[in-house]
Amino acid sequence: DMKVTQMPRYLIKRMGENVLLECGQDMSHETMYWYRQDPGLGLQLIYISYDVDSNSEGDIPKGYRVSRKKREHFSLILDSAKTNQTSVYFCASSLLGLGYEQYFGPGTRLTVL
Amino acid sequence: GDQVEQSPSALSLHEGTDSALRCNFTTTMRSVQWFRQNSRGSLISLFYLASGTKENGRLKSAFDSKERRYSTLHIRDAQLEDSGTYFCAAEIASSSFSKLVFGQGTSLSVVP
Repeated sequence: DMKVTQMPRYLIKRMGENVLLECGQDMSHETMYWYRQDPGLGLQLIYISYDVDSNSEGDIPKGYRVSRKKREHFSLILDSAKTNQTSVYFCASSLLGLGYEQYFGPGTRLTVL
Repeated sequence: GDQVEQSPSALSLHEGTDSALRCNFTTTMRSVQWFRQNSRGSLISLFYLASGTKENGRLKSAFDSKERRYSTLHIRDAQLEDSGTYFCAAEIASSSFSKLVFGQGTSLSVVP
């Protein structure tokens, strides 16, 4: 069963705390993505990973970093979280990069107080 | 600027009726995906199209194969469970950078 998983599903943090969001996929996809969704908007791309240790900035990378040490896992890290990083974060994966369908995880709702 | 223009922004349908959602692209797209976001926030993938049309039950989607500048999602015989927010997302044809550009969504409410 092809699946993208995200942990945790809900998270509340205080401003200045570090945040780790985790994503996994069982499809051996090379490319993985992190997006965020704000109220009333579509998703915006934060980072792309084309394979292990091959990561590129998306449209809104400021305040985030990523880590991909295994093909099946992709982490999003917020060092010293800010209140404007309160959002819903979605992870996705695709077999390769351009021209392939993206499969999305269920999302993580992050609240930074 | 905005590259994906989705319309309408909101729509109310009576059960059993038909309607269509549309996405216009300001540039040529390589492919388009359609999603429904449910009340729990999960994104449910409906269609992925690189060209042509696809159909799944009461839903049918088309992607303009010629100029690749618009896509439509048709809903036939709308049911209450079709309610949710529908997003189209497309990949820019000229981009060497793999990402989906999302529309702002259509909030669909199906009423008895």
